[in-house]
Amino acid sequence: DAKTTQPPSMDCAEGRAANLPCNHSTISGNEYVYWYRQIHSQGPQYIIHGLKNNETNEMASLIITEDRKSSTLILPHATLRDTAVYYCIVRGSNTGNQFYFGTGTSLTVIP
Amino acid sequence: DVKVTQSSRYLVKRTGEKVFLECVQDMDHENMFWYRQDPGLGLRLIYFSYDVKMKEKGDIPEGYSVSREKKERFSLILESASTNQTSMYLCASSFTPWEAYGYTFGSGTRLTVV
Repeated sequence: DAKTTQPPSMDCAEGRAANLPCNHSTISGNEYVYWYRQIHSQGPQYIIHGLKNNETNEMASLIITEDRKSSTLILPHATLRDTAVYYCIVRGSNTGNQFYFGTGTSLTVIP
Repeated sequence: DVKVTQSSRYLVKRTGEKVFLECVQDMDHENMFWYRQDPGLGLRLIYFSYDVKMKEKGDIPEGYSVSREKKERFSLILESASTNQTSMYLCASSFTPWEAYGYTFGSGTRLTVV
């Protein structure tokens, strides 16, 4: 049963890189890792996803370890608007193959 | 701007009432989902639907039912509301059930059962 483990909270200084880790040691070999974030009073929004190679888009970078058991979301220059809950998501085998959102990491960007 | 709209932002209902939470999407998505969100427990899947009149149980379906009579609308029903169903409810839709990069969420309905 693929599940994720994330630290419950993290702080980051404004302008610095925010590195958010996620463990997903039971992920299947052909399943992607997805990241979403949820800003207060809104629904979660997609950030990025990856399989085994590192990925980058306009919002963030995703680093996936070679064994695929963990990944790190990187916000290269965090701003106050990046304060949110960040979810690392994988497919869960006990929910009709739907996706497991978990409890996420609450990131606070400090001025 | 495409969106998922949940009919109510806040609801207060009494124990034992039948409660309907409505969700409408304008993206012609086949797949729709209902989650509840509680502190320390994250998002948990209640029910989902791949097509009209089709439904599948998620992780925590007990005490809930759903209805999908039209493609754009997915309703969550609490047959007899209880205080332990006080929560934030989030609806989502996606164009494919096989990947998670295309989920669009509504802003949520905060339900309080008293």
